[in-house]
Amino acid sequence: KAGVTQTPRYLIKTRGQQVTLSCSPISGHRSVSWYQQTPGQGLQFLFEYFSETQRNKGNFPGRFSGRQFSNSRSEMNVSTLELGDSALYLCASIPFSGSTDTQYFGPGTRLTVL
Amino acid sequence: KNQVEQSPQSLIILEGKNCTLQCNYTVSPFSNLRWYKQDTGRGPVSLTIMTFSENTKSNGRYTATLDADTKQSSLHITASQLSDSASYICVVSLNNAGNMLTFGGGTRLMVKP
Repeated sequence: KAGVTQTPRYLIKTRGQQVTLSCSPISGHRSVSWYQQTPGQGLQFLFEYFSETQRNKGNFPGRFSGRQFSNSRSEMNVSTLELGDSALYLCASIPFSGSTDTQYFGPGTRLTVL
Repeated sequence: KNQVEQSPQSLIILEGKNCTLQCNYTVSPFSNLRWYKQDTGRGPVSLTIMTFSENTKSNGRYTATLDADTKQSSLHITASQLSDSASYICVVSLNNAGNMLTFGGGTRLMVKP
């Protein structure tokens, strides 16, 4: 069974630009969560999608948005990039949406904002 | 405020030795507590998941304990190996919050030969 795929793996953008990151979950998994990881703040929850609907959202500004498609693939978008958005963005694939489900993380997308 | 605090922040041990990592949380209402291992540059990998009613759970040389009364958890690593060098992250899930997780800052473990 293929694991979680995130594309691109590395990305360099400049301030003010926007970026779209993609996550393909494990086949058959219906829920996807997104996280931001920085040295200063550690791992922080961004949002969770289940069956194309956003179930939960973390404490991030509206510049961060996401969506999920009917095949469970998910994208997240960050508009008007700021230097502080430089981080590792991790996607987790979850079988359903139960709180005890194991989350399978992808390798992440390393975003650098210059 | 829901928080997860881990100690120590970093730890160096010799190969073959045991170690214990600590996690204190104030997350409420509590659903479950997880321990993850994250190698540098990679996504976290789940080690254990414990619900409110579970006191201990093992995964090979990793044993996690949970005291829901004192809101403390520990991860014990037995007979450490060089491949155990990684960050260990304690994660708490809120009840009725789906997969919204609150993460601790992690303990950076280095195992030396």
